[in-house]
Amino acid sequence: DVKVTQSSRYLVKRTGEKVFLECVQDMDHENMFWYRQDPGLGLRLIYFSYDVKMKEKGDIPEGYSVSREKKERFSLILESASTNQTSMYLCASSLIGAEREREQYFGPGTRLTVT
Amino acid sequence: AQSVSQHNHHVILSEAASLELGCNYSYGGTVNLFWYVQYPGQHLQLLLKYFSGDPLVKGIKGFEAEFIKSKFSFNLRKPSVQWSDTAEYFCAVNPSGTYKYIFGTGTRLKVLA
Repeated sequence: DVKVTQSSRYLVKRTGEKVFLECVQDMDHENMFWYRQDPGLGLRLIYFSYDVKMKEKGDIPEGYSVSREKKERFSLILESASTNQTSMYLCASSLIGAEREREQYFGPGTRLTVT
Repeated sequence: AQSVSQHNHHVILSEAASLELGCNYSYGGTVNLFWYVQYPGQHLQLLLKYFSGDPLVKGIKGFEAEFIKSKFSFNLRKPSVQWSDTAEYFCAVNPSGTYKYIFGTGTRLKVLA
């Protein structure tokens, strides 16, 4: 069974802290994604990675960075957390192969609160 | 810019009512289309997808969607909803040849028992 796991379900951090969100997938997928989900705004892409050490900015990369040192792991980093980064963060993965195989598989999400 | 519109933000239905959720996208090229569902407290999961061929696609739990290319639409339907269909539904578009997915803002469905 396909599995995407995220390191924490709930996280509370203080303004200015450096925050690491971890995501691991066990499906040998090449693509991995980080989204944030906010009420009324849907899912917005922060960053994605199509290979180890490769990354591309999504629609809202400001204030975030990512790291992909191993194929199965994709980390999202908030360099200096701010209150407007309070949100639900979703990780997803997908295959590179044929387009019909490229559906995304999502993790359970991390609800981050920055105080 | 590419975008996906879900015009119904909140929908309330009684059990056994029919459901149709709208999804329109703005992109002129070939697209792959998805509907995802998020049940309360659970992660997003795929309901159905369209890549090519028959524009009427069937998914899990009795859901179906119809791709109308001329209208840039991919509406989700279910003939008779159940209380357990209470969830948030997201439409997503993947422009063919890219790895980017554009999601709509979601529709919260509440089904009254």
